[in-house]
Amino acid sequence: QVQLVESGGGVVQPGRSLRLSCAASGLSLSSYAMHWVRQAPGKGLEWVAVVSYDGGHKYEADSVKGRFTISRDNSKNTLFLQMNSLRPEDAAVYYCARGVDRNFYGMDVWGQGTTVTVAS
Amino acid sequence: SYELTQPPSVSVSPGQTATITCSGETLGDKYASWYQQKPGQSPVMVIYKDTKRPSGMPERFSGSNSGNTATLTISGTQSLDEAEYYCQAWDGSSVVFGGGTKLTVL
Repeated sequence: QVQLVESGGGVVQPGRSLRLSCAASGLSLSSYAMHWVRQAPGKGLEWVAVVSYDGGHKYEADSVKGRFTISRDNSKNTLFLQMNSLRPEDAAVYYCARGVDRNFYGMDVWGQGTTVTVAS
Repeated sequence: SYELTQPPSVSVSPGQTATITCSGETLGDKYASWYQQKPGQSPVMVIYKDTKRPSGMPERFSGSNSGNTATLTISGTQSLDEAEYYCQAWDGSSVVFGGGTKLTVL
C-alpha cells in the first residue's frame, strides 16, 4: 500500500524546536520533489517548503524562511522538516506530500498529517 | 507575492455541472492543480498540470487554464463531491494555494 506517514508532532513552547519526519512505504521518493504543507484549525492549505528530488534545491514560504529547514534522506525514503523558533501561528496540521514528478507543479500523494501545537 | 483567488462557496444540484474558478495574474502561463478535501481528511489531488487526472480519478472531474483563470469542472455532480476545493500553482520560487471553495451539493 502506497502511503506517507508523518511523525514528530506534539506540543511545544514558543521559541522551541521540533523535527517532523515523513516516511514512505510502498513508493520510492527518490525521483520526486517533496513538499510540506500545513493547515491551521479551520483554515485553508498553506504551503511550507519543497525540496527537489535530489535535495539540491530547496524553497520555503516567507512565513518560515530562516526558521524552518526541509531536507530528505533518499537512502531511508524519508523527508524531514526542522522547525526552530516556533511561534503560536505555526500551530497546524503538517502534511507531507509527494510531487507529481521532479518538478514542483503538484502533489499527488499526501500523508495523514501530524499536529503541531505551540503554546506555553 | 503571487495570489490565487477562489470564490468562497459554490452550490450545485445533484447531477448538474459545478464550476469552480481560480484567478491569478497570467495563471494561464503556469500549471494549475486542484485538490479536494473533506472534513477531517487529507487533501486529494483531482487535477494536475491544468487538465490531467490522476489515476483512478473519475472522468467527471476536468480542468482548464487560460489567461488569468483556471477552472475545475465537475460534471454530473454527486453528493460525495461535496467538499472544499483548492487550486494551486508554482510561481517559480514558491507554491501558492487559493483560499478554497466550499462546494455544496443540494
